[in-house]
Amino acid sequence: NAGVTQTPKFQVLKTGQSMTLQCAQDMNHNSMYWYRQDPGMGLRLIYYSASEGTTDKGEVPNGYNVSRLNKREFSLRLESAAPSQTSVYFCASSVGRNTEAFFGQGTRLTVV
Amino acid sequence: KQEVTQIPAALSVPEGENLVLNCSFTDSAIYNLQWFRQDPGKGLTSLLLIQSSQREQTSGRLNASLDKSSGRSTLYIAASQPGDSATYLCAVRPAGTASKLTFGTGTRLQVTL
Repeated sequence: NAGVTQTPKFQVLKTGQSMTLQCAQDMNHNSMYWYRQDPGMGLRLIYYSASEGTTDKGEVPNGYNVSRLNKREFSLRLESAAPSQTSVYFCASSVGRNTEAFFGQGTRLTVV
Repeated sequence: KQEVTQIPAALSVPEGENLVLNCSFTDSAIYNLQWFRQDPGKGLTSLLLIQSSQREQTSGRLNASLDKSSGRSTLYIAASQPGDSATYLCAVRPAGTASKLTFGTGTRLQVTL
């Protein structure tokens, strides 16, 4: 049972570089999310997709873009990475708003 | 704005002890509350989900309660083991919003031999 799979697991970027974090779920979930986790600040929502074909901003969307490619996949793109985007990024999914959320193993991103 | 608080931030107990982790939230209008476990350098593992209409949920040695009117939840761990050492996070799903979870900053638990 794969659940929620994120790639890559680790990444180092130089300031100004771009990259895309990939997320795929095999549970036929409708909703998918991107969070970042920083020490002392908990997890904060970047973007979410309530269903295929829709995306909405979360709490900290600046500097990011997302694409809900299909029901399975939800990618997060950093167009011009900044040191403030150094963080651990988690993708999650759920059937809908009232149901259990499942998380991937995270991507540890360092921007130098 | 919904805020979630977990106290204490860290807790150390000897093996075998029963313990309670606390979670409080400021807005009682929620769909549900979910408890997670996070091991160092790892992702979040879902432990228990309590819907707003429920008072408690149990899974093995874990029991989570919800008092929505007072904005509080507790996670009870019975007969703690060293393998329970991890950070425990609670998250609420506010009603009237489109699906997002609001997290507390967690309680780091260490169970010693």
